[in-house]
Amino acid sequence: EAGVVQSPRYKIIEKKQPVAFWCNPISGHNTLYWYLQNLGQGPELLIRYENEEAVDDSQLPKDRFSAERLKGVDSTLKIQPAELGDSAVYLCASSFPGIGNEQFFGPGTRLTVL
Amino acid sequence: KQEVTQIPAALSVPEGENLVLNCSFTDSAIYNLQWFRQDPGKGLTSLLLIQSSQREQTSGRLNASLDKSSGRSTLYIAASQPGDSATYLCAVQRDDKIIFGKGTRLHILP
Repeated sequence: EAGVVQSPRYKIIEKKQPVAFWCNPISGHNTLYWYLQNLGQGPELLIRYENEEAVDDSQLPKDRFSAERLKGVDSTLKIQPAELGDSAVYLCASSFPGIGNEQFFGPGTRLTVL
Repeated sequence: KQEVTQIPAALSVPEGENLVLNCSFTDSAIYNLQWFRQDPGKGLTSLLLIQSSQREQTSGRLNASLDKSSGRSTLYIAASQPGDSATYLCAVQRDDKIIFGKGTRLHILP
């Protein structure tokens, strides 16, 4: 069974440019999470989807960040425009309710904003 | 507000030793607690998940315990190996909130 897939793995952009990250969760997992992880810190939740509905986006900086999960499967996280402080690892995870809501993570996208 | 603390922040032990990693949380009303492993530059790998009604979970050389009343969990690693070197994170979930600790960086000395 394939795990959570994320692309790209690495991205380097200049500040004020837009950037997008893509995530494909484990098949059948209807809950999808986007996290931000700074160096030496634990992941921080940005947004959580139940199917195609964003049920928790309270930590998402909505002035520059947006996300979508149109068909309730894969998801895209976008930053426009990117700032220097957005340099971090962006992690996607998925889970299926009923088995303790265990989360499974993708490899992440490491973003560097110059 | 839920806070998750992991002590120590870093740990080095000789190969073959048994060790314990600690995780504490301030709000005991949790749904589950999950331990993860993260290798440098990689995503998180789920190790063990303990639901709120459980006291412990075991997988191979790993054993995780949960004491909700005291707000503590421990991850016990038996007979440590150099391949166990990684950062270990715990995360607690309540309702729709998932809070991670900062992790413990473990280095097993050959």
